[in-house]
Amino acid sequence: NAGVMQNPRHLVRRRGQEARLRCSPMKGHSHVYWYRQLPEEGLKFMVYLQKENIIDESGMPKERFSAEFPKEGPSILRIQQVVRGDSAAYFCASSPGTGTPGELFFGEGSRLTVL
Amino acid sequence: QKEVEQNSGPLSVPEGAIASLNCTYSDRGSQSFFWYRQYSGKSPELIMFIYSNGDKEDGRFTAQLNKASQYVSLLIRDSQPSDSATYLCAVSPARQLTFGSGTQLTVLP
Repeated sequence: NAGVMQNPRHLVRRRGQEARLRCSPMKGHSHVYWYRQLPEEGLKFMVYLQKENIIDESGMPKERFSAEFPKEGPSILRIQQVVRGDSAAYFCASSPGTGTPGELFFGEGSRLTVL
Repeated sequence: QKEVEQNSGPLSVPEGAIASLNCTYSDRGSQSFFWYRQYSGKSPELIMFIYSNGDKEDGRFTAQLNKASQYVSLLIRDSQPSDSATYLCAVSPARQLTFGSGTQLTVLP
């Protein structure tokens, strides 16, 4: 499967635990974006990364959330000390960095449930 | 003020009719405009993008852009039940996208 791969697809955590969501971009894509979608709402931008660099994290909550895209391996979205309000679908998207700006390819999402 | 607004819906149309989806945006610096379709529980998928004022047609889909009015729309001709989904309008002042909250479309057989 050459698409954007996200795992886990479903994750259940108790309040105060940590959640780690992983995203492998499409082959040849060096740009990764994380979005959050609350039930019945649109996608909210969180962070935009290239390999080893955070380009824009203006949508990321200041506390408890962090993201990385190392030189080797998938991009990781980390949520520390989760709260019930973190329950959402987290979508990763990738782009090649060239071509049509804004043309993103989305993964199937990781659905986080905080008990 | 929301950056990208879509008509709230839900929108129901009979099979074979034209579905019209509308979107307004606030950032005049936006250069690219996108329509994504999202089936329930699935990931968004790109339907069309448009850069220039006017119409852009792709099969049964037509995107319309009016930068002066900061308005973009999507028309779906000969609507099919398989078109039933949430349609997300997105604008791109930069490489990341800003999405509207989506319009849920139901095409009735």
